[in-house]
Amino acid sequence: GAVVSQHPSRVICKSGTSVKIECRSLDFQATTMFWYRQFPKQSLMLMATSNEGSKATYEQGVEKDKFLINHASLTLSTLTVTSAHPEDSSFYICSADPPTGTPYEQYFGPGTRLTVT
Amino acid sequence: SQQGEEDPQALSIQEGENATMNCSYKTSINNLQWYRQNSGRGLVHLILIRSNEREKHSGRLRVTLDTSKKSSSLLITASRAADTASYFCATDTGGGNKLTFGTGTQLKVEL
Repeated sequence: GAVVSQHPSRVICKSGTSVKIECRSLDFQATTMFWYRQFPKQSLMLMATSNEGSKATYEQGVEKDKFLINHASLTLSTLTVTSAHPEDSSFYICSADPPTGTPYEQYFGPGTRLTVT
Repeated sequence: SQQGEEDPQALSIQEGENATMNCSYKTSINNLQWYRQNSGRGLVHLILIRSNEREKHSGRLRVTLDTSKKSSSLLITASRAADTASYFCATDTGGGNKLTFGTGTQLKVEL
């Protein structure tokens, strides 16, 4: 089956610094990837849709200048949390659209736990 | 805002019992999907049911969909301790395969 990886799995950073999270589709090409954030014991909230070769589409209320998304290739999307603050601490999960012709399910990465101190 | 509401929020059962989780949503959908998440991990796709389907089975899983009531249920039969996880429904409303997740049900299966 299709595999999506995320790196790093855990990161601790100081307030004011920036952190980059990578999402890779390992055995298929993904023109579209999605970024979610999840607070403890809560559901996933879609942050943005990442399209290869074009600008990401952000959900209402998500600051595009704070959460920079780059989808430079068909297998890699990155999320950069700029000037991180403690309230940005969360679990960030990416998913990738399946290859054309396969069912509609999305393939999720294992998530990245971000802690901002 | 989230589209789906799930109930119960938490469910604790004994191994061997059946577990039923319900999901309600607000707008028309193309399909509804159920995912499982172990603590601190990513999501695993369980089953997808299209808007023109009413029931679907996969192993010990049974999903129903009632589009007139905008609701779905997930039944896990003969539960096992390994089924302990959070379960989320997610709806695809046709906007580029964008999913909207429900609030989730935390299932605990005890030996």
